Amino acid sequence: AAGVIQSPRHLIKEKRETATLKCYPIPRHDTVYWYQQGPGQDPQFLISFYEKMQSDKGSIPDRFSAQQFSDYHSELNMSSLELGDSALYFCASSPAGNEQYFGPGTRLTVT
Amino acid sequence: GENVEQHPSTLSVQEGDSAVIKCTYSDSASNYFPWYKQELGKRPQLIIDIRSNVGEKKDQRIAVTLNKTAKHFSLHITETQPEDSAVYFCAASSHRDDKIIFGKGTRLHILP
Repeated sequence: AAGVIQSPRHLIKEKRETATLKCYPIPRHDTVYWYQQGPGQDPQFLISFYEKMQSDKGSIPDRFSAQQFSDYHSELNMSSLELGDSALYFCASSPAGNEQYFGPGTRLTVT
Repeated sequence: GENVEQHPSTLSVQEGDSAVIKCTYSDSASNYFPWYKQELGKRPQLIIDIRSNVGEKKDQRIAVTLNKTAKHFSLHITETQPEDSAVYFCAASSHRDDKIIFGKGTRLHILP
């Protein structure tokens, strides 16, 4: 079965640079969620989109923005990167009804 | 907002024994309670979930119970196997906003 696709899988950036993470949801899933997971931490909700509109916002810094496109893929844009942004970033997708299926994640390292 | 507490943070059980992980939630509007298993460096994998109109759900060696009145829910793994070793997260969400709020996780070690 098709799963959530994320790219890139690994990304190394320097402080103050920008990064763009991409997420391709499971076909026919209309909701996309972004989570940030630091080492040894639980995933923290950042932002979600339903039918290409932002549906909820969590602990997402103002330096980050995201959108969902007409083909339902989503991109998380991160600017002025800081060392503390180093984490695993997961995208999850959901059909109507709560169940969220996670992608493999993007490991972002900021040096 | 929702707050999910999870205990214990670490659990070691002998292979073949049962493991129980307990969680509490704060938002009475929460109506969906998934459990995720995460191996090191991998994605969280949905292993079982329960909705607020059900008190118990079982899938082979895994069962989840929900007490809405007390706002408690638990994961039970029977006949544990080495491949059950992982971090387990409980979570809660509501139909109001759908975002998942995770507990802090339980690191489960299955001892040979």
